[in-house]
Amino acid sequence: DIQMTQSPASLSASVGETVTITCGASENIYGALNWYQRKQGKSPQLLIYGATNLADGMSSRFSGSGSGRQYSLKISSLHPDDVATYYCQNVLSTPWTFGGGTKLEIK
Amino acid sequence: DVQLQESGPGLVKPSQSLSLTCSVTGYSITSGYYWNWIRQFPGNKLEWMGYISYDGSNNYNPSLKNRISITRDTSKNQFFLKLNSVTTEDTATYYCAREGLITTVVFDYWGQGTTLTVSS
Repeated sequence: DIQMTQSPASLSASVGETVTITCGASENIYGALNWYQRKQGKSPQLLIYGATNLADGMSSRFSGSGSGRQYSLKISSLHPDDVATYYCQNVLSTPWTFGGGTKLEIK
Repeated sequence: DVQLQESGPGLVKPSQSLSLTCSVTGYSITSGYYWNWIRQFPGNKLEWMGYISYDGSNNYNPSLKNRISITRDTSKNQFFLKLNSVTTEDTATYYCAREGLITTVVFDYWGQGTTLTVSS
């Protein structure tokens, strides 16, 4: 199985700040990496697919980058509505695996 | 619009089997895509459990070994999860989700989740 490691596990930042979440894969996943946003009490929602592509309806303040084994999610100009847990996901090969999640809070 | 809705017993005793249903509206599960079960443990870790495809084939997470079965009722546009010999470690929120492909595999539609507790 491909192991996915996210950091940090939790993050607190102020409105208007820019934050970055990183995700590492145990092997090269060739950009087959998605990010999901899960708000409290809700199901996860696709945020970024293929490492860099913004999903329909999601804010352009979110951007993804990376290749090989290392990927990142950047959130620019934080809004209170961004409070959520963010997950990366390997979609190179089954079993599909997720990172442990990053819980984002607003100071 | 595509909608998925999970349903289940809420509470199961250890060593018993859990059975969950995912009811799909807005799209026929035989027309395309892969229909998945994913669970979220207390502490927020996500685990992909497996899927049944539009043609009825399955793919399961090896970590669940021989405990898992995903089947469907095409007449009701539903698919089901059965997990045998449950333990307290199977306590989780269970989601059903549609798996599609846009340059990469994506889970583009999710149910709202159903909480399952394993306890005597």
